[in-house]
Amino acid sequence: GAGVSQSPSNKVTEKGKDVELRCDPISGHTALYWYRQSLGQGLEFLIYFQGNSAPDKSGLPSDRFSAERTGGSVSTLTIQRTQQEDSAVYLCASSLARGGKISSTGELFFGEGSRLTVL
Amino acid sequence: AQSVAQPEDQVNVAEGNPLTVKCTYSVSGNPYLFWYVQYPNRGLQFLLKYITGDNLVKGSYGFEAEFNKSQTSFHLKKPSALVSDSALYFCAVRPDNYGQNFVFGPGTRLSVLP
Repeated sequence: GAGVSQSPSNKVTEKGKDVELRCDPISGHTALYWYRQSLGQGLEFLIYFQGNSAPDKSGLPSDRFSAERTGGSVSTLTIQRTQQEDSAVYLCASSLARGGKISSTGELFFGEGSRLTVL
Repeated sequence: AQSVAQPEDQVNVAEGNPLTVKCTYSVSGNPYLFWYVQYPNRGLQFLLKYITGDNLVKGSYGFEAEFNKSQTSFHLKKPSALVSDSALYFCAVRPDNYGQNFVFGPGTRLSVLP
């Protein structure tokens, strides 16, 4: 598809289980971002990729959270030993960048999000 | 440090009336400013952006925003609100120095009443 694709759209899991959330950015977009949004609230930055490297992972809330990106395309956000406070919508966004830097007009394009519910 | 403020959690306006959703920012260097809209259970959709040039920016769905450098503001406006405009609106800023992150405001919920 032409847009940012995220899967699963909904995930219900039990406390203590691991989950993986996937983001497939727009083709050619080298910058990729993960955000977390609690119900009806603002966006919490998690991590940012430029290509396969993550120059800014300052928003990851704990060492239970990790993310990787391979081939400069698909990214996976992994949450280990999930807790109830991890319940949220996880949003992925991508942006066009040239020469390793964000395009000067590079707005973010968002996916529909993955809604995680931890019971 | 960069920051974005949206001073109103909620804005109510009657259908057909003009609407304004406020945004102020703090950023080092020149700002690139953005507005996004989020409908229920959806991702964020890009509305408009200010990069340089004319301070009045026109975007999707009849929205516009005015960049005011002296007041460090980028308020979103629409001359005549529709019920379908009811949604959550986010202002975002990115410094013009490459490689920096986007900073989003907390969001303003707009309700347009029929």
